[in-house]
Amino acid sequence: GNSVTQMEGPVTLSEEAFLTINCTYTATGYPSLFWYVQYPGEGLQLLLKATKADDKGSNKGFEATYRKETTSFHLEKGSVQVSDSAVYFCALRKSGGYQKVTFGTGTKLQVIP
Amino acid sequence: ETGVTQSPTHLIKTRGQQVTLRCSSQSGHNTVSWYQQALGQGPQFIFQYYREEENGRGNFPPRFSGLQFPNYSSELNVNALELDDSALYLCASSPRETSNYNEQFFGPGTRLTVL
Repeated sequence: GNSVTQMEGPVTLSEEAFLTINCTYTATGYPSLFWYVQYPGEGLQLLLKATKADDKGSNKGFEATYRKETTSFHLEKGSVQVSDSAVYFCALRKSGGYQKVTFGTGTKLQVIP
Repeated sequence: ETGVTQSPTHLIKTRGQQVTLRCSSQSGHNTVSWYQQALGQGPQFIFQYYREEENGRGNFPPRFSGLQFPNYSSELNVNALELDDSALYLCASSPRETSNYNEQFFGPGTRLTVL
């Protein structure tokens, strides 16, 4: 079945540091890939998405590129801020069929001033 | 445009009781999915409703059931609550399209605690 594996946290960075959160997936066909962010006490917000190979999703300084050859969708940001502290979830939705989203276990990011 | 709303925000129940959680989908969205997020874990798909019928289900027992109403709002019912049912329950809505570009919009969740 479909699955998502992302690096375990917590990840602690100083403000303005470079961020990478690794994500790899297993799926048949050509799934859509997503990064969601969850701030403390809140639900999930879509951060960015990519729907086909080599697509780059970007939002709020975050980027991720859909790499089919390595089945990866790593999240990057050049300069993190304290306000980026949250839990980040990598997810996929397979093409066709009903719209089930499969999530990774989440990576907690803490940015310190 | 109103986003996805859920009620109640928090709920405390005891083992063996039954609970009903409610979700109002975003305007124009006719598909609703429910997820369970245990503490420190990613959300797990429970089921999805489209046109008032369940059209997909994850690995959850039958005591997890749902409804969708003509206005596309939805309920999640859990019978015979167990301690492990303690979690954040998330509702997500989306328009029903065949395109692969759809995304799901999540509500803030209902925090259920089973004692």
